[in-house]
Amino acid sequence: DSGVTQTPKHLITATGQRVTLRCSPRSGDLSVYWYQQSLDQGLQFLIQYYNGEERAKGNILERFSAQQFPDLHSELNLSSLELGDSALYFCASNRGGGNTEAFFGQGTRLTVV
Amino acid sequence: AQKITQTQPGMFVQEKEAVTLDCTYDTSDPSYGLFWYKQPSSGEMIFLIYQGSYDQQNATEGRYSLNFQKARKSANLVISASQLGDSAMYFCAMREAGVTENSGGSNYKLTFGKGTLLTVNP
Repeated sequence: DSGVTQTPKHLITATGQRVTLRCSPRSGDLSVYWYQQSLDQGLQFLIQYYNGEERAKGNILERFSAQQFPDLHSELNLSSLELGDSALYFCASNRGGGNTEAFFGQGTRLTVV
Repeated sequence: AQKITQTQPGMFVQEKEAVTLDCTYDTSDPSYGLFWYKQPSSGEMIFLIYQGSYDQQNATEGRYSLNFQKARKSANLVISASQLGDSAMYFCAMREAGVTENSGGSNYKLTFGKGTLLTVNP
């Protein structure tokens, strides 16, 4: 158990809908990272938050947004969903320093039908 | 251009033998970190080993060691005495530091390779 909790584990929704994925980082971790894993794109970095502040953006679509709350949990919002958004979405956390590994949650498997 | 290249889509190894998974990287940042993660069929990402660009010695963690050749920009993972439970997807990743424009704070993101599927045969 990495200590990073993601909910829900599985999500099935229709095209055009909006969903929210939730992540609770490990106790004491200030940085949260979101990644998308799909068959064709592999593991892609989406966005990083550090203590509530957005620190880095990767290949995140405009239909997607995220935030980190004062209690350090994070949410990734995906809207106007398309079939191609079906993927495994990971949240990871670490203290924030670069010389430490990021611990990954179990992921949320999103299926858009 | 790909920053992390894993040239072996699949590898097979006999139980109890050693196996090397290849990883090459591309960066102009003098400070970077290299990571290996394991992803079993259940889907979770498990951290295995880390090597910093300034580390003088190769990293080791139990049966895992990282063969770091800085000049060649390679960071191969060596698994000794393979076990059936080692069958999984293995990802090499690189962390490059950057600076967030608005705040000036550091940001770190991992760039992953496409992975190598390792199968350990009994």
